Amino acid sequence: AQSVAQPEDQVNVAEGNPLTVKCTYSVSGNPYLFWYVQYPNRGLQFLLKYITGDNLVKGSYGFEAEFNKSQTSFHLKKPSALVSDSALYFCAAGMDTGRRALTFGSGTRLQVQP
Amino acid sequence: DTGVSQNPRHKITKRGQNVTFRCDPISEHNRLYWYRQTLGQGPEFLTYFQNEAQLEKSRLLSDRFSAERPKGSFSTLEIQRTEQGDSAMYLCASTSNTGTNEQFFGPGTRLTVL
Repeated sequence: AQSVAQPEDQVNVAEGNPLTVKCTYSVSGNPYLFWYVQYPNRGLQFLLKYITGDNLVKGSYGFEAEFNKSQTSFHLKKPSALVSDSALYFCAAGMDTGRRALTFGSGTRLQVQP
Repeated sequence: DTGVSQNPRHKITKRGQNVTFRCDPISEHNRLYWYRQTLGQGPEFLTYFQNEAQLEKSRLLSDRFSAERPKGSFSTLEIQRTEQGDSAMYLCASTSNTGTNEQFFGPGTRLTVL
């Protein structure tokens, strides 16, 4: 069975500061990892993914994530936060390149203060 | 708009009634997924289809739930004899067997069972 943990319910950061949203995973076999963002009354939007290759993956809106196999982590990062980044962020893990069921974490609310 | 669409966006029903939701995936996507999301939680996998074949079902999908994708295009999710615990956001996603593998999500159907 696979599982995803997001240890922080909420992350607060000042605009312009770097942000990190944490995610750890447990999967059998090769992990396929994703980050999604959810704005109020809207569906999940894909941000980025790790399938194979470079441990640092870059995605939409200036976000990036670092895959660390030894720590089984896939933390989401951004060098300079914007107020508009305030939203709910979900980490997810999948098998079969992610084309089977995704297992999601419980989500982290990011609050960027002006 | 060529994204995933879901109808209705909101559904309020009384306990014991049947409800049916519809999902129209992105047209060239042959994989279609249903997830359920309750307040404060990440989405939980319910079932997925490849074309018209239902390939996997979660144990969350009780006997009262049934999903179909008769022609490999749109899908319906029916809940019979609704219970208050069925109140949630029901999300649909789609992806293709080739190329990019991230799942694209619709806006969801919010079900409230009174």
